Amino acid sequence: GQNIDQPTEMTATEGAIVQINCTYQTSGFNGLFWYQQHAGEAPTFLSYNVLDGLEEKGRFSSFLSRSKGYSYLLLKELQMKDSASYLCAVRVLTGGGNKLTFGTGTQLKVEL
Amino acid sequence: DAGITQSPRYKITETGRQVTLMCHQTWSHSYMFWYRQDLGHGLRLIYYSAAADITDKGEVPDGYVVSRSKTENFPLTLESATRSQTSVYFCASTLTGEYQETQYFGPGTRLLVL
Repeated sequence: GQNIDQPTEMTATEGAIVQINCTYQTSGFNGLFWYQQHAGEAPTFLSYNVLDGLEEKGRFSSFLSRSKGYSYLLLKELQMKDSASYLCAVRVLTGGGNKLTFGTGTQLKVEL
Repeated sequence: DAGITQSPRYKITETGRQVTLMCHQTWSHSYMFWYRQDLGHGLRLIYYSAAADITDKGEVPDGYVVSRSKTENFPLTLESATRSQTSVYFCASTLTGEYQETQYFGPGTRLLVL
């Protein structure tokens, strides 16, 4: 099976940088996704990593180390609207195709 | 508007009743998924479908039935609802499920079983 761990809650200050970590144990790894989910809304795609290294997209960056089973999401220049839950999801290749397994999410609170 | 929609958005039902949650996408995506989201568990896959008439179980399929007679529709049925099925249900779709392709989520259905 798959096991995905991420911190339950984090708090950061507006304008600062925050790093949300995700560790995973899985077989058939075929990519790692980060999603953002505001309260009462659907998850929305933030980033994707399948090779080791850093992927940068504006204020958001995501890093992957496959050998360590580790990823992080880096949020720069935090804004109040970044207060949300951040979901780490690992895609695995199975006989039935690609499936995503989600972590329980990290609730980020951005304060003034 | 194109996209993925779910209906109803909110539903209250009683234990033992049959409930069907609808999911419709206009992108002609091949893959469709049903998740439930509960506090402390995150998103858990119930069923998924790689194409019309092809469905497969996910992590928590017990008590649920799906069908996919048309590519654009993927209804989820609770045959005899239980209180433990109170949850937020999300439908998602993706074109091929390959490489960097993300899943697009519907707005969710909030189900309360009394």
